[in-house]
Amino acid sequence: ETGVTQSPTHLIKTRGQQVTLRCSSQSGHNTVSWYQQALGQGPQFIFQYYREEENGRGNFPPRFSGLQFPNYSSELNVNALELDDSALYLCASSPPGYNEQFFGPGTRLTVL
Amino acid sequence: AQSVSQHNHHVILSEAASLELGCNYSYGGTVNLFWYVQYPGQHLQLLLKYFSGDPLVKGIKGFEAEFIKSKFSFNLRKPSVQWSDTAEYFCAVNALSNTGKLIFGQGTTLQVKP
Repeated sequence: ETGVTQSPTHLIKTRGQQVTLRCSSQSGHNTVSWYQQALGQGPQFIFQYYREEENGRGNFPPRFSGLQFPNYSSELNVNALELDDSALYLCASSPPGYNEQFFGPGTRLTVL
Repeated sequence: AQSVSQHNHHVILSEAASLELGCNYSYGGTVNLFWYVQYPGQHLQLLLKYFSGDPLVKGIKGFEAEFIKSKFSFNLRKPSVQWSDTAEYFCAVNALSNTGKLIFGQGTTLQVKP
C-alpha cells in the first residue's frame, strides 16, 4: 500500500512568485489536509478538502488556495510568496469517516 | 481560541530512563487526541490516539498516554527509553466540532544518550 506522497521534495522561490505543491493521498482516502510547519514549531492547519470542496480553513490569507481532484489528490497554491512562507508543507490524508490523518514527507519551501 | 501546550521543549535522557511528556489542551467539548513522532529525516508518524473509552491508551514501541479529562491533559509515557526513541514528539487535538482540523503543540525534542 502506497502512503501519502508529495512533490517536489524541495523548492526554492523568490518573493512575489507563485508556487504549486502536490499531494497524492493514500489509497482509499478521500480527505486531504494541508499544514505549514515552520522551523521549530508544530504543524499549523491551512485547510482541508473533502469531495473536491474546501471543508475547513485555518488562519491563512486567501493567497493560500487549494484544489482536490476526483482521484482525491490535491494541490496547494501560494501566490505572492513572502519570506515568512518558508516552511515545510505537509499533506495528510484520511480514510472515509475516520479522524486519523496520515502524513506525507512534506515539501520544503524556501523563499528568498 | 483552541490551543495545545507541550510543557517540555527539549528533554535529554539516558537510555533506560523513564519518560513523561506533558500535553494540555484548551477546549471544553469532545476531542480526539493524538501523539505523533517525527524521527530524524522521516515524516510524521502516529504513535497513539484516543477517541473514547479507556483513558489509558497504548501505542507503538511501548509508548502509552493517559487522558485526564478534568485536567485537559494527555501525557505521553514510556517506562524505559532507548537511543532509537530520539525524535521530535507532537501532541495534537481534534475538536469534533471542528471537522478535520488538527491543532498541534509546539513539539518536544527528545534526545536519548546511549
